[in-house]
Amino acid sequence: DAGVIQSPRHEVTEMGQEVTLRCKPISGHNSLFWYRQTMMRGLELLIYFNNNVPIDDSGMPEDRFSAKMPNASFSTLKIQPSEPRDSAVYFCASSLVGLAGGYNEQFFGPGTRLTVL
Amino acid sequence: QKEVEQNSGPLSVPEGAIASLNCTYSDRGSQSFFWYRQYSGKSPELIMFIYSNGDKEDGRFTAQLNKASQYVSLLIRDSQPSDSATYLCAAKAQWFQGAQKLVFGQGTRLTINP
Repeated sequence: DAGVIQSPRHEVTEMGQEVTLRCKPISGHNSLFWYRQTMMRGLELLIYFNNNVPIDDSGMPEDRFSAKMPNASFSTLKIQPSEPRDSAVYFCASSLVGLAGGYNEQFFGPGTRLTVL
Repeated sequence: QKEVEQNSGPLSVPEGAIASLNCTYSDRGSQSFFWYRQYSGKSPELIMFIYSNGDKEDGRFTAQLNKASQYVSLLIRDSQPSDSATYLCAAKAQWFQGAQKLVFGQGTRLTINP
């Protein structure tokens, strides 16, 4: 089975441009997570979805960031306008969570390395 | 204070020795804890999780949890050069509407010296 798929793998853009990152979760998974990783701040959760519904977006840094999950197999993270401080690796992860709770492993995609000049 | 704290290292251990990685957390409501390994330039991958006080062993890896002290550790026995990576500690922060939220520490960079 394919794992979590992210595109693009690398993105270099200029300040002020719109950036769209894409994620395809593992088929059958019902939860999707967007993370950002930098040397200074480590791995931070930006937003997560359960059954395509955004549950917690408290980690989204500001209004320039938005995320959507129009269906179970696709999600986007958009930054508009982008700024140099947005440069980071953005990971998407998915998991299968049952109604009874417990924990199911979060599987991470390969990440998108974003550089904003 | 960060919710999950780790010593960022680097931690250097000779090959064959025991590597000990530590993590503390501030939310007493956290019930489950996870260790992820991340090789340079790669994505995190889960290696251990633990939710009961005490030790949990899986091959060369042992996770230890002490909820009273809010302390989690990972021991790697017979360390190999291939264990050189950054190890991320994470705590499950909440159960809400069926989804799960993990809070990650900064990670500890481990180097195993041949």
